[in-house]
Amino acid sequence: GAVVSQHPSRVICKSGTSVKIECRSLDFQATTMFWYRQFPKQSLMLMATSNEGSKATYEQGVEKDKFLINHASLTLSTLTVTSAHPEDSSFYICSARTGSGQSVETQYFGPGTRLLVL
Amino acid sequence: AQSVSQHNHHVILSEAASLELGCNYSYGGTVNLFWYVQYPGQHLQLLLKYFSGDPLVKGIKGFEAEFIKSKFSFNLRKPSVQWSDTAEYFCAVRGGDSSYKLIFGSGTRLLVRP
Repeated sequence: GAVVSQHPSRVICKSGTSVKIECRSLDFQATTMFWYRQFPKQSLMLMATSNEGSKATYEQGVEKDKFLINHASLTLSTLTVTSAHPEDSSFYICSARTGSGQSVETQYFGPGTRLLVL
Repeated sequence: AQSVSQHNHHVILSEAASLELGCNYSYGGTVNLFWYVQYPGQHLQLLLKYFSGDPLVKGIKGFEAEFIKSKFSFNLRKPSVQWSDTAEYFCAVRGGDSSYKLIFGSGTRLLVRP
């Protein structure tokens, strides 16, 4: 099946620094990638939708200047958490959409990146 | 706005017991429905999905789900669970429009005792 990877798997950083998380589709071209945030014992909350070659679409309440998303190619999207603070500590998960037409569309999820901001 | 409710947050079963996890959604139009599973330490995997047609959908590992439009429900079932089914299960909905966004339920943690 389709494989999505994320790097790094976990990162610890100091408050005020920026952190970049990569999401790659390894064996397919992903027209659209999604970024989610998962708090402990809670569900996934969609942060933004990233389309290759265009600006990301952010969900209500998500600061676009804080969570910078770049989708430069059909296999790579990056999420940069700028000026990270302890409240940004979370589990960040990406997914990628494959196929064409809604009847075959499925999202494949990456393994997630655990961010801890000290 | 779309929303998904999973009423069972924690379920504990013995092996061979039958499983049913509830999922209700709120959306006025055509929907696509999904169940994902997250095994301990692993990423989300698709169990099954419903787009149209037969409302009884069969997925991997013996799971099935039934779409009942009148009840806005998409409950997940398995007749006989195994210890290896211990995981967290997420129901998700996507409006049948041009958006591909998924809205997830809060998840149900299933523990199967051997």
